[in-house]
Amino acid sequence: DQQVKQNSPSLSVQEGRISILNCDYTNSMFDYFLWYKKYPAEGPTFLISISSIKDKNEDGRFTVFLNKSAKHLSLHIVPSQPGDSAVYFCAASAEGGTSYGKLTFGQGTILTVHP
Amino acid sequence: ETGVTQTPRHLVMGMTNKKSLKCEQHLGHNAMYWYKQSAKKPLELMFVYNFKEQTENNSVPSRFSPECPNSSHLFLHLHTLQPEDSALYLCASSLHSAGTGNQPQHFGDGTRLSIL
Repeated sequence: DQQVKQNSPSLSVQEGRISILNCDYTNSMFDYFLWYKKYPAEGPTFLISISSIKDKNEDGRFTVFLNKSAKHLSLHIVPSQPGDSAVYFCAASAEGGTSYGKLTFGQGTILTVHP
Repeated sequence: ETGVTQTPRHLVMGMTNKKSLKCEQHLGHNAMYWYKQSAKKPLELMFVYNFKEQTENNSVPSRFSPECPNSSHLFLHLHTLQPEDSALYLCASSLHSAGTGNQPQHFGDGTRLSIL
């Protein structure tokens, strides 16, 4: 039972345009969400996070939106740059219950930004 | 440079071999983690250590044996592995394991393990 799902395996975007990566979750106990970026032959790198008490968090070109009622979050990258091409993982954790202190990851979405 | 170093980067071993993966973090963190990433699957948490104590074993087979001698070092001892254990093994650390709040996990670059 996959509790965090990224239903788009890949996304292709033109440089300068917006990239929107989506993530859905099923566990209502999740209250903290993170996005990681992974280049080939490297480990995941933390990008941005959001607590369930917020519905938006922004950091430069990266914005994460959280819709708790829909159990959906998205990462917006604008403007997209070729260096953003990587695999993006959504992850979630809960402060209590069996998921305490654990990160649950989605399968990842491969983003390709074309010059 | 993430501050989390894993060695070796690549490992090929037979099913009867015994080997160990090593992870070292220079971030002053107190929690360390082992994850497994198989092809086309999400990262799966294997073990969590907080202040050298194991706080999570995510139903991992006993052929994987973790060791955390101090907060900066984490090992994964491997013995009699199966071909399906071939995967990328990632180590991570965070300030504490509880309350991830503003404490994202920092990952190493992983060990690519191949079981013959």
